[in-house]
Amino acid sequence: SAVISQKPSRDICQRGTSLTIQCQVDSQVTMMFWYRQQPGQSLTLIATANQGSEATYESGFVIDKFPISRPNLTFSTLTVSNMSPEDSSIYLCSGNLAGGETQYFGPGTRLLVL
Amino acid sequence: QQQVKQSPQSLIVQKGGIPIINCAYENTAFDYFPWYQQFPGKGPALLIAIRPDVSEKKEGRFTISFNKSAKQFSLHIMDSQPGDSATYFCAASMTGNTGKLIFGQGTTLQVKP
Repeated sequence: SAVISQKPSRDICQRGTSLTIQCQVDSQVTMMFWYRQQPGQSLTLIATANQGSEATYESGFVIDKFPISRPNLTFSTLTVSNMSPEDSSIYLCSGNLAGGETQYFGPGTRLLVL
Repeated sequence: QQQVKQSPQSLIVQKGGIPIINCAYENTAFDYFPWYQQFPGKGPALLIAIRPDVSEKKEGRFTISFNKSAKQFSLHIMDSQPGDSATYFCAASMTGNTGKLIFGQGTTLQVKP
């Protein structure tokens, strides 16, 4: 199994600023994923991050707004840029161990933009 | 075609009851169907998963029933307990597609003592 941690666990930010969320895995994972979840809602995939290549973004999400880094097999960051109140949400990262199909999730980062 | 439709949105049962959550999909390329359990303030955790080559899978009190021809699958929780109160998500993915999951809308389950 894999244990995933995220930093920060929550934050309150002013509109127009940016926040970088860190995702650390205790094992090497092949693919990492970033999701957004509104309270009480389902998970929406933002992008898929593979080490050494640019992230692949889902429809409705763009790199300028959500730049992602994936420097190695255990770490990734998601930046929420030029934030607006509409960006208030829970951001979750997840990953699959090499050769495995189980996707493990972090605890999420709760973001409130004022 | 990429959607996974989940119902009901919420469910209340008495302790010992058998809540059933249903999901349906359109894309026949999906070949992996996990169920996730999420408690408030936590990330989703894998509960049980199934592939289309079997019609049923049991793990403890949790059972997945899979109907390939109808493109439907469901989660049954036997002898439900108050500790099972959580939000449940079905999902689907296809082999070779990076493993990304398409999630259903979620079902909030409350098990009353």
